[in-house]
Amino acid sequence: KAGVTQTPRYLIKTRGQQVTLSCSPISGHRSVSWYQQTPGQGLQFLFEYFSETQRNKGNFPGRFSGRQFSNSRSEMNVSTLELGDSALYLCASSPKQGFTEAFFGQGTRLTVV
Amino acid sequence: QKEVEQDPGPLSVPEGAIVSLNCTYSNSAFQYFMWYRQYSRKGPELLMYTYSSGNKEDGRFTAQVDKSSKYISLFIRDSQPSDSATYLCAMGAGGTSYGKLTFGQGTILTVHP
Repeated sequence: KAGVTQTPRYLIKTRGQQVTLSCSPISGHRSVSWYQQTPGQGLQFLFEYFSETQRNKGNFPGRFSGRQFSNSRSEMNVSTLELGDSALYLCASSPKQGFTEAFFGQGTRLTVV
Repeated sequence: QKEVEQDPGPLSVPEGAIVSLNCTYSNSAFQYFMWYRQYSRKGPELLMYTYSSGNKEDGRFTAQVDKSSKYISLFIRDSQPSDSATYLCAMGAGGTSYGKLTFGQGTILTVHP
C-alpha cells in the first residue's frame, strides 16, 4: 500500500512569490492535515480537511491556505512568501472521520531566499 | 508553558541498552497519544498509537500512558544503531480538534555500537 506522497520534495522560492504544495493521502484515507516543521518551533498544525471541507485551522496568517479535492488529494498554498516561511511542510493522512492515528509523508522542504 | 513538554536530550546509549523517552502534558483534553520516529530529512514515522492509560507493546517498543499524572513514555528494548533518530511524542484531543496533533520538541537519540 503506497504511503502519503508529497510533491515536490524540494523548492526554492524568492520572497514575495507564492507556492503550491501537493499531497496525495494513503488510498482510502479521507482526512488530510498539514504541518510546518522548523528547528525553533518544531511541528505546528496548519489545517485539516475532510471531504473537501476545512474542519480545523491552526494559528497561522491568512497567507497560508489549502484545499482538498474530491479524490482526497490536498494542496496548500502560501502567498507573499517571507524568509520565515522556510520550513519542512508535512502532510498527514488519517483513515477515519474521528480522531485516529496520522501517517506522514516525507515532506516538502521549502527554502525562501 | 507549552502544552507538551518533552525531555530534550540528546540521549546517547550503547547498543543493547533500554531507552526511556518521556513527555508530560498540561491539557486534560488530550485523549490520543502517539510516538513518532523521524530520521534526518524524512517525515515522521508512526511507532505507537494509544488512547487509554496503561501499557501497549509492539516488538521492542512499549508505550506507557498515565493520564492521572499527564505523563507518557516510550521504552525501547535492545536498542540498535538503526534506532538513532529524533523521537517525537504527539497528542490529540478528539472532539472538534479535528486532525490537530500537538507535538513535543523531540528527543535526539544516538545508539552507538
